[in-house]
Amino acid sequence: SQQGEEDPQALSIQEGENATMNCSYKTSINNLQWYRQNSGRGLVHLILIRSNEREKHSGRLRVTLDTSKKSSSLLITASRAADTASYFCATDFWGGGNKLTFGTGTQLKVEL
Amino acid sequence: SQTIHQWPATLVQPVGSPLSLECTVEGTSNPNLYWYRQAAGRGLQLLFYSVGIGQISSEVPQNLSASRPQDRQFILSSKKLLLSDSGFYLCAWSPQGDTQYFGPGTRLTVL
Repeated sequence: SQQGEEDPQALSIQEGENATMNCSYKTSINNLQWYRQNSGRGLVHLILIRSNEREKHSGRLRVTLDTSKKSSSLLITASRAADTASYFCATDFWGGGNKLTFGTGTQLKVEL
Repeated sequence: SQTIHQWPATLVQPVGSPLSLECTVEGTSNPNLYWYRQAAGRGLQLLFYSVGIGQISSEVPQNLSASRPQDRQFILSSKKLLLSDSGFYLCAWSPQGDTQYFGPGTRLTVL
């Protein structure tokens, strides 16, 4: 299976702290994407990093990609209560035909 | 701008009844379309995807089927629902690859 695995499964932090989530995958990829899902809602795309990129930023988000280790991390800086959600990595793997394989997600809770 | 719609938002159906979930996309043409299912507290499982009208690829054998009668319409169906079909169904579209944009989802409960 090419499914990504997120780590940790759940994370609870205080507002203002940084949150780091990790994703590992098994096969070569075209790109890796991070999505956010608020409870009971659809997924929202956060950021896409291509296989030839090592780091990407978007606002308070920082994503790194290490293709040699087949892993990625998502860092949310200065977290807010509104960041409380589930975060999923998704891989577009070589030969996958524009399909994404989603991981099992990290549930982030940011407390006031 | 592009928007994606799904309906109904919630659905409660008895075992053995038929199912029809609809997804439509506005503001784009020839999108890739996807149906996913998400079990409670779990990741997304790709069920079907389509790269064009009448072109459907099935990822998981099951009693569900999908159809794409129009360029921006994607329908998920079942002739007879099972208890295991309960879940959160998400439709997504993509402009020929890369980022996928998700609809609000349909929560299906089969009793």
